[in-house]
Amino acid sequence: IAGITQAPTSQILAAGRRMTLRCTQDMRHNAMYWYRQDLGLGLRLIHYSNTAGTTGKGEVPDGYSVSRANTDDFPLTLASAVPSQTSVYFCASSVLAGNTNTGELFFGEGSRLTVL
Amino acid sequence: SQQGEEDPQALSIQEGENATMNCSYKTSINNLQWYRQNSGRGLVHLILIRSNEREKHSGRLRVTLDTSKKSSSLLITASRAADTASYFCATASIQGAQKLVFGQGTRLTINP
Repeated sequence: IAGITQAPTSQILAAGRRMTLRCTQDMRHNAMYWYRQDLGLGLRLIHYSNTAGTTGKGEVPDGYSVSRANTDDFPLTLASAVPSQTSVYFCASSVLAGNTNTGELFFGEGSRLTVL
Repeated sequence: SQQGEEDPQALSIQEGENATMNCSYKTSINNLQWYRQNSGRGLVHLILIRSNEREKHSGRLRVTLDTSKKSSSLLITASRAADTASYFCATASIQGAQKLVFGQGTRLTINP
């Protein structure tokens, strides 16, 4: 079944450690996104990529980095995790028509990260 | 900051009743979308309404958009226990239309 796969589904991490959340889609969507979801704050955009080879900063990019080497993969890296990065992380993809998001986002099932 | 704000934050109704959730936003938009999230799962797209549309239907869902008031509503008719979930509005602004900005969501509980 086509869709978005995230890994790991859950991880407990010591503060200061490096962590990469993986995201792969098989729908050939040009745009991909990383959101974090926290109670009372909804979903906030961390980074996005309109097409392979390009990335952009969202609302809360500090402490995170991304890369988009190809169409299918969009990993999110925490270089040195801190407790405030405890959250549920969602990867999503969509089709961009030009520079406008005219369609739906497809979401993965999320990665629950706990930083101690 | 959040573009969309949902109201109410939580809603509990009896099965069979209609549920209405509202969303307000701040900037001019290209389109507005509604998503559903079951507990512990990813978000699923429900419906998209463009800035030049005023109302849209999909099954038991009815979405309205009032761009003069910068607001939208999602109506679920004849609710079912399976409709229990969180519902989010998301906007694609004209200035940054490649990114969706989500509201904080409405937690809907349908009591059997």
